[in-house]
Parts: sequence; structure tokens; C-alpha cells
Amino acid sequence: NAGVTQTPKFRILKIGQSMTLQCTQDMNHNYMYWYRQDPGMGLKLIYYSVGAGITDKGEVPNGYNVSRSTTEDFPLRLELAAPSQTSVYFCASSYRTENQPQHFGDGTRLSIL
Amino acid sequence: GQQVMQIPQYQHVQEGEDFTTYCNSSTTLSNIQWYKQRPGGHPVFLIQLVKSGEVKKQKRLTFQFGEAKKNSSLHITATQTTDVGTYFCAGPGGSARQLTFGSGTQLTVLP
Repeated sequence: NAGVTQTPKFRILKIGQSMTLQCTQDMNHNYMYWYRQDPGMGLKLIYYSVGAGITDKGEVPNGYNVSRSTTEDFPLRLELAAPSQTSVYFCASSYRTENQPQHFGDGTRLSIL
Repeated sequence: GQQVMQIPQYQHVQEGEDFTTYCNSSTTLSNIQWYKQRPGGHPVFLIQLVKSGEVKKQKRLTFQFGEAKKNSSLHITATQTTDVGTYFCAGPGGSARQLTFGSGTQLTVLP
């Protein structure tokens, strides 16, 4: 099993550009999450989903959008990229609830210049 | 909202010394999870504690869950260079269906 796969691994964007960070999991997990991690800091939840068709905001949702059309995929969309969105983005999934371990992807390192 | 705090933020130890990180929640937790993130890597699940006063061991790592289920600790005996990384605790976020992560403790092991 591949687990949680994120693409791309690295990306440089110009201010005002848009992009989609891809995340897919092959573990048939219901819950999926997007976090950002700034240098030397902890994880901040951006959005999460408890199943296909259901998404909800986390701690820092502004400037981002998500969708969950299938169980496997949970893309994160950045509209009008800003320097403050320079960060490492992690996608994670868990089987059923927040009480179960989360499996993380390798992350996407995003720089906005 | 729920807060999960970890101390210390940084810890440098000589190889062979012990290390402990502490996690405190503002609310009672149904369970607590611990993760390790190697430099440049992603968080990896280590363990979950559920019961009040629970103690679990993984080789040189000992995890404890407080009696009141509001605090937890991770103790590493005789650290090795392979223990380098950031250790995070995380607890369920109350009514929200999400985990709240602590700020992490960054461990450096000097050879």
C-alpha cells in the first residue's frame, strides 16, 4: 500500500497565482485532514473531511478551499497565493474518527515569492 | 477552545542521557496520541493512550497518561542519535472531529 500520497513535493509560486495540492490515500480511510507547518512550529489544521461530500473548516482555513468528491482524494486549493502561505503542507488520514491514529503524507513544500 | 501545551520547546542532550517531554491539556481527554517527526520528514504515529494512569513502553520509550487524563509524558532512556526529531502529543478536539496537536518538543542528541 502506498498510504497517503501528496503531489507535488515542492513548488514555488508567484504572489497571486493559484494551485491545487493533491492528496490521495489508498487505505479506505473516512477522515482526511490538511495541515500546514511553518518552520519550527507545530501543525495547524486547515480543513478536514469526515467522508465523501463532507468538509469542514479547521483552525486556519482562510485563503484555502477543499473538496472531497471521493473517499480517496482530498485536494487543497490555494487561491491568490500570498507570502504568508509559504509553508509545508501535510495531508493525513485516519480510519474512522479523530480518536484513531493519523497517517501522514510526505508533505508539499510551498514557497510563495 | 481546547489547548494542548508541550514543554520544553527544545531540548539538547548528550547521547546516553535521558529525555522527557510533557504535554498538558486544558480539558480532559478521551485519549492522547504521540507522534515523532524526523527533520525534513512527516509526523509518524508512535502510540495512543486511553486509560487513566496508563503506562506503555516501546523499547527505550515510556509513555504515561495522567490520572486526570489531562496530561501526559514521554520519557526516553539513554538517548541515541536516532531519537533526534520533534515529538508531538495530540488529543481529540472536544466536539470538533479533529485532533489538536501540541507545539512539539524538538530533541537534539549530541554524539
